[in-house]
Amino acid sequence: SQQGEEDPQALSIQEGENATMNCSYKTSINNLQWYRQNSGRGLVHLILIRSNEREKHSGRLRVTLDTSKKSSSLLITASRAADTASYFCATQEGTYKYIFGTGTRLKVLA
Amino acid sequence: DVKVTQSSRYLVKRTGEKVFLECVQDMDHENMFWYRQDPGLGLRLIYFSYDVKMKEKGDIPEGYSVSREKKERFSLILESASTNQTSMYLCASSTAEISYNEQFFGPGTRLTVL
Repeated sequence: SQQGEEDPQALSIQEGENATMNCSYKTSINNLQWYRQNSGRGLVHLILIRSNEREKHSGRLRVTLDTSKKSSSLLITASRAADTASYFCATQEGTYKYIFGTGTRLKVLA
Repeated sequence: DVKVTQSSRYLVKRTGEKVFLECVQDMDHENMFWYRQDPGLGLRLIYFSYDVKMKEKGDIPEGYSVSREKKERFSLILESASTNQTSMYLCASSTAEISYNEQFFGPGTRLTVL
């Protein structure tokens, strides 16, 4: 079964607004990653946060991690139409295994 | 520019056919993965490989096999395709270095089994 569960499943916002997506997971993790998938394409890595980190920034992206609640959030500030995509969280168990959530579909309206 | 390529973007096969999906990476990565992606189910791991000729089952290996004869190439084989294997198949690779855990994905192969 999928460990990561994103919330909401779908999100529609206006250009310039902020978008927040949440991810919950069930077991202990080494790190948590966020990926973006444009329609019908492969996934692209956005950001990684390690289990001993609480917050990380990359450009317009801000990720938080709360290991006590087993949850993470991805904030995209000042969204653009080009941010329209599906966003997935992924947790890493051990050395090789990555577990992906079911994704949040983000639509940014121009 | 790092790259993971997959042999086909779209593929249509008939039930019972043997299907080969090829994946090649040019980053000298040790780890390679095959996932399938279905609506509402996210990505599910079929098989992965951490070295040449080494393979491990993922969460849904039934009906699939893999081959890794060379470091850069990881093939997914559907021995006898069935309609429930209609899906998007994604290949990924990653380095074995602990500090770098990012996975690099190919563009995907959308397989339809009739």
